[in-house]
Amino acid sequence: DAKTTQPPSMDCAEGRAANLPCNHSTISGNEYVYWYRQIHSQGPQYIIHGLKNNETNEMASLIITEDRKSSTLILPHATLRDTAVYYCIADLGSSNTGKLIFGQGTTLQVKP
Amino acid sequence: GAGVSQSPRYKVTKRGQDVALRCDPISGHVSLYWYRQALGQGPEFLTYFNYEAQQDKSGLPNDRFSAERPEGSISTLTIQRTEQRDSAMYRCASSGASGRSSYNEQFFGPGTRLTVL
Repeated sequence: DAKTTQPPSMDCAEGRAANLPCNHSTISGNEYVYWYRQIHSQGPQYIIHGLKNNETNEMASLIITEDRKSSTLILPHATLRDTAVYYCIADLGSSNTGKLIFGQGTTLQVKP
Repeated sequence: GAGVSQSPRYKVTKRGQDVALRCDPISGHVSLYWYRQALGQGPEFLTYFNYEAQQDKSGLPNDRFSAERPEGSISTLTIQRTEQRDSAMYRCASSGASGRSSYNEQFFGPGTRLTVL
């Protein structure tokens, strides 16, 4: 599985867009980019995933660069409840057992 | 509907004792995963089941750790002769997809907080 690099922490004002970057320069062609988040002491929660194309769902948008070496998770209108640790994971998907390799993640603090 | 449940939620034991941690996955979910999470760290993969078959146990730290899922539903993670370094949050996750699916959303349980004195 490719190693991912994320900033340790970020702040965002409530109501503004939160843009969380992730570098995965060694990602292979068949590895998906997954994002999970973990709020306080709860279990991690799936947000979104993608391979090449940008993706959007009810929670967030995922922008993947054309060379796939980096991606950005966008929370369009951050709320206080979005304060959490966000994990970017490169996963082999159909070629893998599905185990997730979590790094340190980015602690996002949404401020009023 | 019911999510993933784990029991007990908290377990305090003395060094050298055996412990068994239980995971009830979401009904019908094919895949089941065990992770361990130290304070301030991301979850660390331990082992994975596809139905009752243990497909990957590469993350189990040593032979004191074992897991089973005999009927393809409930799973038990057992730690024998516990040591203080085993203290952590143990999390279980399940997925409706086979691990080899490109869409593999994992649903995590609340975890069992294990403290070894």
